[in-house]
Order: sequence, then structure tokens, then C-alpha cells
Amino acid sequence: EVQLVESGGGLVQPGGSLRLSCAASGFTFSDHYMDWVRQAPGKGLEWVGRIRKKTNSYTTEYAASVKGRFTISRDDSKNSLYLQMNSLKTEDTAVYYCVRVSGSYCIDHWGQGTLVTVSS
Amino acid sequence: DIQMTQSPSSLSASVGDRVTITCRASQDISNYLAWYQQKPGKAPKSLMYATSSLQSGVPSKFSGSGSGTDFTLTISSLQPEDFALYYCQQYKSYPVTFGQGTRLEIK
Repeated sequence: EVQLVESGGGLVQPGGSLRLSCAASGFTFSDHYMDWVRQAPGKGLEWVGRIRKKTNSYTTEYAASVKGRFTISRDDSKNSLYLQMNSLKTEDTAVYYCVRVSGSYCIDHWGQGTLVTVSS
Repeated sequence: DIQMTQSPSSLSASVGDRVTITCRASQDISNYLAWYQQKPGKAPKSLMYATSSLQSGVPSKFSGSGSGTDFTLTISSLQPEDFALYYCQQYKSYPVTFGQGTRLEIK
């Protein structure tokens, strides 16, 4: 069974940093692209970014709203995905979901999410 | 960026009804269209990809159609567990974008 478990969320002040982690199990992590998707309270879904697999040189893509502030990385030896968030803004407040990308390049599995609150 | 527009934003229906949700892309996305279901307080669930292919374990009461810019999700024989939020998503190009969501409510 595919499992994605996020951690690292919490309360942070504007301008601060936070690192989210996602522990993956139940599948061959290294074979998949992985994304982060977020959802602000009471709002819709927003794609944050993607990291490709080793054979694609671990290249990344980001939404314009987070580019230059957020960095996605992965450690295939630990079956883990990360989201380093710097220069956080109040509008980054959201539940952050770790998601698996299928071989067809769409999302097929979601984690339960972790809440990040940016507030003074 | 490709804008995804869903209609209606909300929809009331009864158990046993058949409903259709529409998703329109601002430019041609071929068949790179997915649908997701989200229940209150829960993570989204993947329903469909490539416009009309069901994700593993998703019942055949869900069906999708379309190509290019206009797409539909149809849910037949509505059951209480089907009342939820539904999102479409294009993955033809970056950034990946979602529709604003359609809330399906019990009448």
C-alpha cells in the first residue's frame, strides 16, 4: 500500500523558514517524480512544484508564487521528499500535501497533509 | 499559464441522480486532464487521469470525456459518499494548474 506521511508543519513568523518532510513507503520511491501541492484554508488546490527522478537528473519545476523561495529535494536512500521554505509570507499559510506522480505524469496518491501557518 | 475553469461552482443533486461537471481549459491541453475528489477535512483522492482513465479502485460510476479545451466528469447513480468537492487539473504544461472546484451537495 502506498503511504505518504508529511511532517514538519507548524507556526512560523513571516520571513522565517521551515522544512517539510515526506516519508514514502509501499512503492519504489526512486522510480517516481514527486510533487508538493498546497491548499490555503477554505481555498482550492495549488500546485507548488515537482522533482523528477535520478534518470532525469533530479530536475525541478516550481510555481511562480514560490520560485526562488522554496526548494524541493529528495533522498532516494531514505525514501524521503523535502520542501525547504524560506522567506515565508502570510499567504503561504496552507496545508501542504506530498503527492506521488504516476508514470502518466499525473498525481495518483496523496499524503494526509501538514499545516503550515505563517503569522506573527 | 493555462487557466482551468469549472462549472458549475456548486451543484445540488439527490441520491440516485446523474450529474455532470464541466472543466474548460484556456488553451488546448489534448487529453492531459485529471479529476480529484475531496471530502471535508480529508486529503484529495485521485479519480481519473488522461481525461477518461479511472485510477485503480475507482468505481465505473465515474466517467470522463473531452479533448482539447472542454472536458466533463459524469457521476451516475449518486450515493451519499459521492457528495464532495471535485477538482479538475491540467498536466499538459508547467505550471500544473487546477480548476477552482465544484461542490456537489445533497438536495
